[in-house]
Amino acid sequence: SQQGEEDPQALSIQEGENATMNCSYKTSINNLQWYRQNSGRGLVHLILIRSNEREKHSGRLRVTLDTSKKSSSLLITASRAADTASYFCATDHYNQGGKLIFGQGTELSVKP
Amino acid sequence: DSGVTQTPKHLITATGQRVTLRCSPRSGDLSVYWYQQSLDQGLQFLIQYYNGEERAKGNILERFSAQQFPDLHSELNLSSLELGDSALYFCASSGGQDGTEAFFGQGTRLTVV
Repeated sequence: SQQGEEDPQALSIQEGENATMNCSYKTSINNLQWYRQNSGRGLVHLILIRSNEREKHSGRLRVTLDTSKKSSSLLITASRAADTASYFCATDHYNQGGKLIFGQGTELSVKP
Repeated sequence: DSGVTQTPKHLITATGQRVTLRCSPRSGDLSVYWYQQSLDQGLQFLIQYYNGEERAKGNILERFSAQQFPDLHSELNLSSLELGDSALYFCASSGGQDGTEAFFGQGTRLTVV
């Protein structure tokens, strides 16, 4: 399977703490994206990082990309109960059209 | 609201039946994607259409087919349904044909009994 891997599978933290999720993939990418999914609902795009970028910020989100290790991390700072959701990384690969390969996701629970 | 509309939201049907899922992309988006999400397989890419033409294909079963119409809406047809086809089916759209941010609909939850 081409699917990437994410860890941890589940993460439980207190409000105000930082949450870090990791993603690894297998083949060269064009870009890597992070999505959020609230229970059983549609996915919401969070951030896109291109293969020639190493770090990107958006509000409380920080994404890093290490193409030599084929890995990425998503950091959510000062987490809130409303951040409780599943987070997925998705990779876009050359010559694959717009097909995204999703990881298995990290289930984040932020306790008030 | 992503701007992507999927109907129906829920569908319960019997094994062996055929169903059609419908998707209206965001206004102006030319690409439509179909994904299947199940507990055991996770999120799997099925197929992409760009401006009416098939652009990329994933592990889509032969019993499944899709098309994109001139008004850019898309339909996913699932036939000879099996219990294992029970899943959430998502449609997504994007402006380009390659690797840009995708906007997802709320999904159709299909239950095959």
